[in-house]
Amino acid sequence: AQTVTQSQPEMSVQEAETVTLSCTYDTSESDYYLFWYKQPPSRQMILVIRQEAYKQQNATENRFSVNFQKAAKSFSLKISDSQLGDAAMYFCAYRSANTGNQFYFGTGTSLTVIP
Amino acid sequence: GAVVSQHPSWVICKSGTSVKIECRSLDFQATTMFWYRQFPKQSLMLMATSNEGSKATYEQGVEKDKFLINHASLTLSTLTVTSAHPEDSSFYICSARGRFAYNEQFFGPGTRLTVL
Repeated sequence: AQTVTQSQPEMSVQEAETVTLSCTYDTSESDYYLFWYKQPPSRQMILVIRQEAYKQQNATENRFSVNFQKAAKSFSLKISDSQLGDAAMYFCAYRSANTGNQFYFGTGTSLTVIP
Repeated sequence: GAVVSQHPSWVICKSGTSVKIECRSLDFQATTMFWYRQFPKQSLMLMATSNEGSKATYEQGVEKDKFLINHASLTLSTLTVTSAHPEDSSFYICSARGRFAYNEQFFGPGTRLTVL
């Protein structure tokens, strides 16, 4: 099974500053999807950003962007101009494009935003 | 965006009783639904995958006779925790996937189960 690793259990960032959350994954496949999900205290999972492995261009959604390094199997999330509402657990997830529907989630990073 | 609801959001039951949790896709047809379990400050652990009209596929270590999953329609899946015990207390999250281009899953708000 694929594994997704988030090596930072906790991170903090000053409001309006930039923070980068790390994610690495292990796979032998060449075609897959990567996601970052946010889980605020309400526990509702919210999709932040997604990346198709076949695309070389890094995905961007407003203040959120990724640094996708396919050869290194790295998929980090950058949050710019951090806001108090960004405080949450962030999960990195992997899904194969070919085998099944299953998502593999990382262990999560708890992000604190300091006013 | 696509909306997935769960009911109830919170349930307390006595040990030995059964509890049913519903997961509904409100504005799309969910060809596949997933059930996850999440312990405090931990990641989501996939319990089972269900396709409409088919038997659910359970992950290794998940007791299929204890966690009954039914996906009878394209908008509804249910998880029944049978003969619940305190160790079954957890946060249960469903997600649904339709015929979308990006293969993402849409998550329900979760159900907190407490077994006394």
